[in-house]
Amino acid sequence: DAGVTQSPTHLIKTRGQHVTLRCSPISGHKSVSWYQQVLGQGPQFIFQYYEKEERGRGNFPDRFSARQFPNYSSELNVNALLLGDSALYLCASSFDGSGNTIYFGEGSWLTVV
Amino acid sequence: GQSLEQPSEVTAVEGAIVQINCTYQTSGFYGLSWYQQHDGGAPTFLSYNALDGLEETGRFSSFLSRSDSYGYLLLQELQMKDSASYFCAVRARALNQAGTALIFGKGTTLSVSS
Repeated sequence: DAGVTQSPTHLIKTRGQHVTLRCSPISGHKSVSWYQQVLGQGPQFIFQYYEKEERGRGNFPDRFSARQFPNYSSELNVNALLLGDSALYLCASSFDGSGNTIYFGEGSWLTVV
Repeated sequence: GQSLEQPSEVTAVEGAIVQINCTYQTSGFYGLSWYQQHDGGAPTFLSYNALDGLEETGRFSSFLSRSDSYGYLLLQELQMKDSASYFCAVRARALNQAGTALIFGKGTTLSVSS
């Protein structure tokens, strides 16, 4: 079975631009979460979606938004990119919203120049 | 607020045993998880403790004391491939919302030498 898949794996954007990151959860998983990981730090929670509804939001500005589609895949959107948005963006899926065990994708490396 | 403390670095030799401690401060605590992350890779799930006590999975064991807000990951019979970053993470209520979030510590870098 395929694990959590994310695209693109690497991308470079310019300050002020917009980026869309995509995630497909493990088949049968209904919850998707997004995390930001900067070098040398642990992942920081951005959003959780379950059954297409936002269930949780971390301490990130409104430039960050996300949505979950009927097939449970998800998009993370970041507007007006800043240099500080450069990070590894991780998507994680779980069967339900409990989050006892979540499975991470390989992530999308975003560099803002 | 929510915070987790774990040592930044641990070194050991092959075959040894290491313990990585984690103390946490959070509201709406549900459980403590441990994740392993190799350089350039995704975090992978190791263990989850919701109740006090020791959970054993092969060479890895994890312990939780809810009254002490403390847990640890025990790695036995260390191998070179165990060199990685290890994160403790607390599952907690996501800020006045229905869902939960994993709040991660800053990670412990384990270096195993021969």
